[in-house]
Amino acid sequence: AQKITQTQPGMFVQEKEAVTLDCTYDTSDQSYGLFWYKQPSSGEMIFLIYQGSYDEQNATEGRYSLNFQKARKSANLVISASQLGDSAMYFCAMRPPGGGTASKLTFGTGTRLQVTL
Amino acid sequence: NAGVTQTPKFQVLKTGQSMTLQCAQDMNHEYMSWYRQDPGMGLRLIHYSVGAGITDQGEVPNGYNVSRSTTEDFPLRLLSAAPSQTSVYFCASRTTGANTEAFFGQGTRLTVV
Repeated sequence: AQKITQTQPGMFVQEKEAVTLDCTYDTSDQSYGLFWYKQPSSGEMIFLIYQGSYDEQNATEGRYSLNFQKARKSANLVISASQLGDSAMYFCAMRPPGGGTASKLTFGTGTRLQVTL
Repeated sequence: NAGVTQTPKFQVLKTGQSMTLQCAQDMNHEYMSWYRQDPGMGLRLIHYSVGAGITDQGEVPNGYNVSRSTTEDFPLRLLSAAPSQTSVYFCASRTTGANTEAFFGQGTRLTVV
């Protein structure tokens, strides 16, 4: 079974500062995918970034980067130059290898980020 | 450019009533899923489908049925609503490929009284 742990229920960051949202995972699979989603107060789920377990480089997407440490089973999201619009709930999720289980995303409980002036 | 469309957006049911949450996607995605989101618990998988005619149970399937007669549609049926099914429901779809993200609908907020 797969498990995602997000230990920070809430975080505050000042505008223009960088922030790291923690995510650790547990799986016996050798191949897996890690995702981060953003959920603003309006409720929709917005995909941010993906990291494959065999990817040698950390994923980056604009101001988002994923600090992937496979031996530690961690996949922390780093947001650089925070903006007020980054205030939202952030979810880390994991997906097992392909085949019949390919749709089975396992989510963490989320971290609520508040960006302040 | 509709993506994943869920209807209705809000619904109030009485205990014991049945209803169907609709989900449609126009991206020709093979994989579709239903999740429920409860406070403090993240999203949990209810049922999923890897193609038309193929469905399987997720983590919390009890009280829900699904079918997938077409690639586009994946309705979720509540057979006899219970207050424990009060939640926000999300439908998601994605194409094949190991690194493809899931696209989510806007969610359906269901209250069972």
